[in-house]
Amino acid sequence: GDSVTQMEGPVTLSEEAFLTINCTYTATGYPSLFWYVQYPGEGLQLLLKATKADDKGSNKGFEATYRKETTSFHLEKGSVQVSDSAVYFCALRITQGGSEKLVFGKGTKLTVNP
Amino acid sequence: EAQVTQNPRYLITVTGKKLTVTCSQNMNHEYMSWYRQDPGLGLRQIYYSMNVEVTDKGDVPEGYKVSRKEKRNFPLILESPSPNQTSLYFCASRRESRTHQPQHFGDGTRLSIL
Repeated sequence: GDSVTQMEGPVTLSEEAFLTINCTYTATGYPSLFWYVQYPGEGLQLLLKATKADDKGSNKGFEATYRKETTSFHLEKGSVQVSDSAVYFCALRITQGGSEKLVFGKGTKLTVNP
Repeated sequence: EAQVTQNPRYLITVTGKKLTVTCSQNMNHEYMSWYRQDPGLGLRQIYYSMNVEVTDKGDVPEGYKVSRKEKRNFPLILESPSPNQTSLYFCASRRESRTHQPQHFGDGTRLSIL
């Protein structure tokens, strides 16, 4: 079935370090891919998205490229800040006929220390 | 301000006592959805609605009911809550169904069923 696998956390980095959070997916069709971020005590917010192969989503210094050949959508940031501390969720959405399925990964908690 | 509003934000109740969590969005979105978030499991979709009077089961619908009598509201009903429904619940909406638009999330409702 359709699924999303994220690297397990927690991830702890120092400020200005490079971040990679791996995400791979399994889907029967051609999904749209998303990264959402959840700050403490808040709901999820869209961070970036990609709707087809080779698309690159980017926002707030974060990037992720839709790689169909490796079924991956890894999240990267060149220099993290303390304010990036949050839980990050990779998600896919696939529509078939009149129905839709949205599947989230389990989340990766990131802590950035000053 | 565009938002998804859930109520209550926190609730502690007892097994078997019917409860309703309301969700309202002011963006005229067609698509609405409910998720539960549990440690180590990420977000799992409970029910979703592509439009008024159209609802479908997600991955974990057992023990829940929903209704979509009007576009702005999508209440989640627990007819006979049980302790395994203790969780953090999120409502979300999106502008149109079957598109690549991201979802807007509410701030969450933390339910504790004793």
